[in-house]
Amino acid sequence: EAQVTQNPRYLITVTGKKLTVTCSQNMNHEYMSWYRQDPGLGLRQIYYSMNVEVTDKGDVPEGYKVSRKEKRNFPLILESPSPNQTSLYFCASSLSGGRGNIQYFGAGTRLSVL
Amino acid sequence: SQQGEEDPQALSIQEGENATMNCSYKTSINNLQWYRQNSGRGLVHLILIRSNEREKHSGRLRVTLDTSKKSSSLLITASRAADTASYFCATDDDNFNKFYFGSGTKLNVKP
Repeated sequence: EAQVTQNPRYLITVTGKKLTVTCSQNMNHEYMSWYRQDPGLGLRQIYYSMNVEVTDKGDVPEGYKVSRKEKRNFPLILESPSPNQTSLYFCASSLSGGRGNIQYFGAGTRLSVL
Repeated sequence: SQQGEEDPQALSIQEGENATMNCSYKTSINNLQWYRQNSGRGLVHLILIRSNEREKHSGRLRVTLDTSKKSSSLLITASRAADTASYFCATDDDNFNKFYFGSGTKLNVKP
């Protein structure tokens, strides 16, 4: 079954404690992306990756890091989480960038930073 | 910068009625997509319309695009309770790299 898998689904942590949210897709997609969703603000793109070892900033990259060492995986790293990073996070993948390609989304990771 | 803005923010209708939601965006686009999100879950793609298209249909969905007004509308005909969800428009940038989502329309279809 084609899917984007995020882990964990729920995470409560404390300020400053490094964490990683994993994302994996099994569709051999070139493009992967991370979004955060906050009430009233919709989804905002954090980082995206056009292919292995190619990553770039979205609209709200501050406080986040990503890496793309393998095509299927695109982890999101919060080196020193702060309360303003409490949010619902989504990973998505598509065949190749925009160009009318559909994005497939993971189920989401709800993060609370205390 | 947020490209898409949906209107209305919330919409409540009876089952069987039609639901119309609108999306406006700020700069030129290549494609516009509509997605649906059930409460707190991942988004699911509904329909895509390219910048050179004016109207597209998929089942009970009808999407229009007016590039001169930088706006799109999504019409759901004969709505069902199962259509209750949030609906988002999404546009891509000139390089096809970045995506911009609006803040969404929350649709409630009452049985």
